[in-house]
Amino acid sequence: EIVLTQSPGTLSLSPGERATLSCRASQSVTSTFLAWYQQKPGQAPRLLIYGASSRATGIPDRFSGSGSGTDFTLTISRLEPEDFALYYCHQYNSSPRTFGQGTKVEIK
Amino acid sequence: QVQLVQSGAEVKKPGASVKVSCKASGYTFTDFYIHWVRQAPGQGLQWVAWISPKSGGTNYAQNFQGRVTMTRDTSITTAYMELSGLRSDDTAIYYCVREASCGTSSCSLDYWGQGTQVSVSS
Repeated sequence: EIVLTQSPGTLSLSPGERATLSCRASQSVTSTFLAWYQQKPGQAPRLLIYGASSRATGIPDRFSGSGSGTDFTLTISRLEPEDFALYYCHQYNSSPRTFGQGTKVEIK
Repeated sequence: QVQLVQSGAEVKKPGASVKVSCKASGYTFTDFYIHWVRQAPGQGLQWVAWISPKSGGTNYAQNFQGRVTMTRDTSITTAYMELSGLRSDDTAIYYCVREASCGTSSCSLDYWGQGTQVSVSS
């Protein structure tokens, strides 16, 4: 099973700042099969990025994804108040599908 | 618009079974796989299984083999997840999720149900 390790566990930033979230895989993941989700308290996750770098429908362009192989990054260029949430990476390259443990982006 | 509406919260005793439903609307039910993902209290996301609504074919995570059964009723565009032999560590929110159509063998999960809380306690 592919283990995804996200870092940092918590990111404390101010609105307007840039957020950089990391997702490292225990074995290579074809970039086609890497996604990012956002989850707010009491809500279901929401798809942000698929195929490592493609934004899902309706996702603002301040969200971007990059990476390949075992290292992937989600970048939020300028944090808006509604972006403070939990973020998960997800690989669907091989079964079982797995998720990272999450990175919490909190207001500093 | 695409919607996945799940059944309500359940409270079960250890050893019992639970069956959660997921009513799909706003798209052709048989064209998209349905997955189940769970989230224990304060924890991350764990993939459980998928079902092909068209064929009824399934794939279960090793951790749940022998305890989970996914079925569907295409006449009412509903998928079901049944989990048996419940333990306290099965306490979680269970989400049904649609797999996107992306032209490759495996796709991201694009629409999520609202979640069903399953609590297991004696």
